[in-house]
Amino acid sequence: DGGITQSPKYLFRKEGQNVTLSCEQNLNHDAMYWYRQDPGQGLRLIYYSQIVNDFQKGDIAEGYSVSREKKESFPLTVTSAQKNPTAFYLCASSKASSGALAKNIQYFGAGTRLSVL
Amino acid sequence: AQSVTQPDIHITVSEGASLELRCNYSYGATPYLFWYVQSPGQGLQLLLKYFSGDTLVQGIKGFEAEFKRSQSSFNLRKPSVHWSDAAEYFCAVGAGSGGYQKVTFGTGTKLQVIP
Repeated sequence: DGGITQSPKYLFRKEGQNVTLSCEQNLNHDAMYWYRQDPGQGLRLIYYSQIVNDFQKGDIAEGYSVSREKKESFPLTVTSAQKNPTAFYLCASSKASSGALAKNIQYFGAGTRLSVL
Repeated sequence: AQSVTQPDIHITVSEGASLELRCNYSYGATPYLFWYVQSPGQGLQLLLKYFSGDTLVQGIKGFEAEFKRSQSSFNLRKPSVHWSDAAEYFCAVGAGSGGYQKVTFGTGTKLQVIP
């Protein structure tokens, strides 16, 4: 079955530690996204990528980093600079149509819940 | 820049009753409009979308939404709610042009269904 796989489902971070969240898709989608979800705040965009080896900052990129070395993979690293990392992180992908990113239907993974020890 | 407002944080309805979830957006032109649903601990799934044309759009699971330009609204409706509809619902707005386009999500409405 085609879809988006996020791992792990639960992750714990110690003070000063970097942690990496995995996101893999087999939908052959060009665009991939990372969102952070906090109660009552909806989804906030961290980073997105429209093509391999290229990515753009979203609204809350500080304290996060990404890479896009393969079309299928878009890992997110939560660095020690992110002082409030506890949240639910969602990865999504879409079949980007040229010049029409705003109308892409996004397909989501099941999320990773990150907590601080 | 666009924005989207979902004024109701929580809504409780009885099973079998009708449902309407409100969504208002702010944008200078007609944006692309979406409704997504999220079950607890899961990702989001698209219910329906509006790009252009008929302002009443049908989606999955018996949901529909109506785009009203004069009210800048895109409310989600269902005539008879089932217990399995309990979830959180997000309205989203896609807008922009050229190199600056984005999708903005509302803060969500959590639906509780009581027997």
